[in-house]
Parts: sequence; structure tokens; C-alpha cells
Amino acid sequence: DSGVTQTPKHLITATGQRVTLRCSPRSGDLSVYWYQQSLDQGLQFLIHYYNGEERAKGNILERFSAQQFPDLHSELNLSSLELGDSALYFCASTTSRDGDEQFFGPGTRLTVL
Amino acid sequence: AQTVTQSQPEMSVQEAETVTLSCTYDTSESNYYLFWYKQPPSRQMILVIRQEAYKQQNATENRFSVNFQKAAKSFSLKISDSQLGDTAMYFCAFRGNTPLVFGKGTRLSVIA
Repeated sequence: DSGVTQTPKHLITATGQRVTLRCSPRSGDLSVYWYQQSLDQGLQFLIHYYNGEERAKGNILERFSAQQFPDLHSELNLSSLELGDSALYFCASTTSRDGDEQFFGPGTRLTVL
Repeated sequence: AQTVTQSQPEMSVQEAETVTLSCTYDTSESNYYLFWYKQPPSRQMILVIRQEAYKQQNATENRFSVNFQKAAKSFSLKISDSQLGDTAMYFCAFRGNTPLVFGKGTRLSVIA
């Protein structure tokens, strides 16, 4: 158990819908990273927050957004969902700003039908 | 942009034997970190071992060790005394000035 929690574990929805994935970092960790793991693209970095502020963006679609709240939990919002958004979404946390050792949550499996 | 290449999509090893997984990377940075993550069927991403580029000594964690060749930009993982529980996807990852960049992974099967 990494200490990072993600909810829900599984999510099934339809195209065009909007969903919110939640991540609670390890106690004391200020950085939260979001990753997408799909069969064709592998593991890809989406976005990084540190202490409430966005630090870096990766291959995140405009239909996706994220935020980190004052209690340091983070949410990833996915809208206008497409079949290709079906993937495993991980968050990871680390104490430092630049994250030399990241601890991953169990992931949320999103299926878009 | 940094790239990480794992040239072995699948490998298998007999229980108690030793196996080496290959990883090469491309970067112009001099300070960076390298990692091996394990992803068992449960899908949990588990950190296996890490290496700081400025350290010449190869990292070791119990049965897991790396062969870090900075000039060759190579970072292989050796698993000794393989166990059935080592069956998993293994991802090599690089972190420099950008967040983690992952290779495509190597699927390792340990055979009894």
C-alpha cells in the first residue's frame, strides 16, 4: 500500500459524458501527478500540481482539466468523453516539488462505451 | 525530448534463475534520475529501484540491481533468484527537468 488513494476504482460511462476522478496523496506530500495508461499510448504524464498550483502539463487534452485543493487532494475532470479515453488513470504523489520518487495510487479504470 | 526505449516486449525466466531487462534512454541533461517500476496483474505501480545519474555506484535492492552505463545511456535491471511473484510488467522511467517519461514496458513471466 503506497498511501495514495484513488476513487473510484472503476468507472463505466457513455460517450459525451463527464466524470471526475479523485486522488488523495500520501500524508505530507505536496505534489500530485496524473498519468494515463492506455494500450496504444502506454504510460503518459498528464499534469502536475504542487501545493495547489499547476507546475507542468504533459499530453493533456483540452477536454481534461485538473485541480488541487487546499487539503491537497486532487481531482481530474474528463469531459465530452470519447471511446479513446478508456484507460487506467493513475495519480502519484511525492513530498518534493520536483518528485524524484513518486508513489502511485491503485488507479481508476475508466471505460467509455 | 527525452525518450526511453525498452527493446524487449516480453521475456521469460525459470524460477530461481537470473534475468536482465534492458533499457536505453536519450537525453542531453547531465543531472537526472532513472527508475524501474513493476506493474503486477493488480495494476499497482510499484517502485523497484532508483538510480541518481551523479552516482557511479550501481543501485541494489535485495534481489534487484541495475547496471547503469551513463556514457552509453543504458540502465538495465537484473533480477536474481527469480520468484513467481516477480511476474509483471516492468517499466523503465527517466526524470530530468521534466516529469517521468516511461518506456513501453517489458512483460516478464517467471516459470515454475
